[in-house]
Amino acid sequence: DQQVKQNSPSLSVQEGRISILNCDYTNSMFDYFLWYKKYPAEGPTFLISISSIKDKNEDGRFTVFLNKSAKHLSLHIVPSQPGDSAVYFCAAMEKGAQKLVFGQGTRLTINP
Amino acid sequence: DAGVIQSPRHEVTEMGQEVTLRCKPISGHNSLFWYRQTMMRGLELLIYFNNNVPIDDSGMPEDRFSAKMPNASFSTLKIQPSEPRDSAVYFCASSFFLGRAEAFFGQGTRLTVV
Repeated sequence: DQQVKQNSPSLSVQEGRISILNCDYTNSMFDYFLWYKKYPAEGPTFLISISSIKDKNEDGRFTVFLNKSAKHLSLHIVPSQPGDSAVYFCAAMEKGAQKLVFGQGTRLTINP
Repeated sequence: DAGVIQSPRHEVTEMGQEVTLRCKPISGHNSLFWYRQTMMRGLELLIYFNNNVPIDDSGMPEDRFSAKMPNASFSTLKIQPSEPRDSAVYFCASSFFLGRAEAFFGQGTRLTVV
């Protein structure tokens, strides 16, 4: 039972363009969402998060959008850079809980 | 701080052998998580501890898997006996739970069971 789903295993984007990574969830108790970035042979690193009381959070080139009614969130990277090539994981947390539930990940490749 | 430290980085073992993975969380963190990364399911939570006490082990796949946290600075994940389908990358992560806090991950242990 996959509560957090990233339906695109991979995404290829040209350098300078916008990258949009998507994530869907099924558990209505989730109220905090995070994106992690993972390079090969390294552990995931935290990128950006959003609380369910917001619908948008921005940090530099990275913006996360949350649509609670659709149980959908997305990560926008503008402009995309070669160093953004990595696997991106979406994660969610229930209110009052500590554990993160992750999606399967999306491999983003930025082409020069 | 050196971050979350996992050992070994790579482990190759024969089927049936016991495997022990080790983790040192970030000093001051009170929550510790063990995850397994697979192609099909991404990052699966196996077990997590809060203040050294196991809180949720519902993700532990079988009785062959066990985890301990004898003190705030050390945890182990043991597989006995190991099987080829256990081959994966195992991550340890820690966090300080105060409201909302992201988890910090170690570099992982790549386990291969032949």
